[in-house]
Amino acid sequence: NAGVMQNPRHLVRRRGQEARLRCSPMKGHSHVYWYRQLPEEGLKFMVYLQKENIIDESGMPKERFSAEFPKEGPSILRIQQVVRGDSAAYFCASSPLTYEQYFGPGTRLTVT
Amino acid sequence: GQNIDQPTEMTATEGAIVQINCTYQTSGFNGLFWYQQHAGEAPTFLSYNVLDGLEEKGRFSSFLSRSKGYSYLLLKELQMKDSASYLCAVRGGGATNKLIFGTGTLLAVQP
Repeated sequence: NAGVMQNPRHLVRRRGQEARLRCSPMKGHSHVYWYRQLPEEGLKFMVYLQKENIIDESGMPKERFSAEFPKEGPSILRIQQVVRGDSAAYFCASSPLTYEQYFGPGTRLTVT
Repeated sequence: GQNIDQPTEMTATEGAIVQINCTYQTSGFNGLFWYQQHAGEAPTFLSYNVLDGLEEKGRFSSFLSRSKGYSYLLLKELQMKDSASYLCAVRGGGATNKLIFGTGTLLAVQP
């Protein structure tokens, strides 16, 4: 059973470009969570999704950030018009209903 | 508000025992998790407590007191590979399953 997969592992974008981060949950997991980890800081919750539904987006910045988890395919975290402050590690986690969340390897976004 | 406190750094000796404390104040509570994170890697699940008491799993044990808003992770027979950050996280109540993380405790194991 493959773990949570994220790609790309590293992403470099210039200010103003768009970043698309992909997450494929573990097989059988229908719950996906996105977290952001800034340098020297803890993980911060961003959004919780189930297939085709956003359940909790209380941690998402109000502008430029969006997330989806379509019926088919991976979950996508999209950041429009990136700024230097968006540079961070973005982790996706999945879970089967409610219990521990399994984390992917993360995408390290660098904005130049 | 939501607040989770852990020491920033700890140092211990190989073969020894170390206890990492975590205190929390959250608007809801539906379990407390401990994760291990090596530099540049994903957090990996260590333990889960939802009821008061001690959960033991090999060299790792975790304790929870809900009335005190307190947990600790106990690592026995420390090995060099245990050098990592240890993250305390609380799952909030209600419909959301989001985890609220502390900033983590960076543990350095010395020979």
